Amino acid sequence: AQKVTQAQTEISVVEKEDVTLDCVYETRDTTYYLFWYKQPPSGELVFLIRRNSFDEQNEISGRYSWNFQKSTSSFNFTITASQVVDSAVYFCALSVSGGSYIPTFGRGTSLIVHP
Amino acid sequence: EPEVTQTPSHQVTQMGQEVILRCVPISNHLYFYWYRQILGQKVEFLVSFYNNEISEKSEIFDDQFSVERPDGSNFTLKIRSTKLEDSAMYFCASSAGNTGELFFGEGSRLTVL
Repeated sequence: AQKVTQAQTEISVVEKEDVTLDCVYETRDTTYYLFWYKQPPSGELVFLIRRNSFDEQNEISGRYSWNFQKSTSSFNFTITASQVVDSAVYFCALSVSGGSYIPTFGRGTSLIVHP
Repeated sequence: EPEVTQTPSHQVTQMGQEVILRCVPISNHLYFYWYRQILGQKVEFLVSFYNNEISEKSEIFDDQFSVERPDGSNFTLKIRSTKLEDSAMYFCASSAGNTGELFFGEGSRLTVL
């Protein structure tokens, strides 16, 4: 069975601080995908990134970066110089070949960025 | 940019009533999904649909739920006799391939009184 753990329920930072959202996953499959989704206060789910299990390269997209480490089964998400608009709930998700690639979501981390 | 659209955005219904939530997936996508999110909780998988049939479903997706793709564009979720605990945000999603890269709609909020 697959599982995603986001241990941080809520994080509060002041604008311009860097913040890292943790994601730890469990699966016995060797082929899997990891995702991050953003859920702003308006409620929709916005796709941010997908990584497959064979690509451990870190990724940077503007102020966002992702650190994938298979050795620790983690896929952490860092926002550099946070902004108020980054305030949202962020979900990490995992899909595995044995699970028909249907994403399982973590419980989410609520990020509050104060001006 | 193509997107998944859902209607209605919010529906209020009485317990025991039937509800149909509608979704228009991205046009060239082949896999369709429904998830739900009870307020403040995690996003839970309900059902996936491919090639005009259900491919996977969760324990939540019991006999009260059904899905249909009545034409080439719509994908619907029907709840036959709503219960209070069905109150949630329901998300439709679609994907081009079976890779788990889902694109979600903005959700339909269902409130059962």
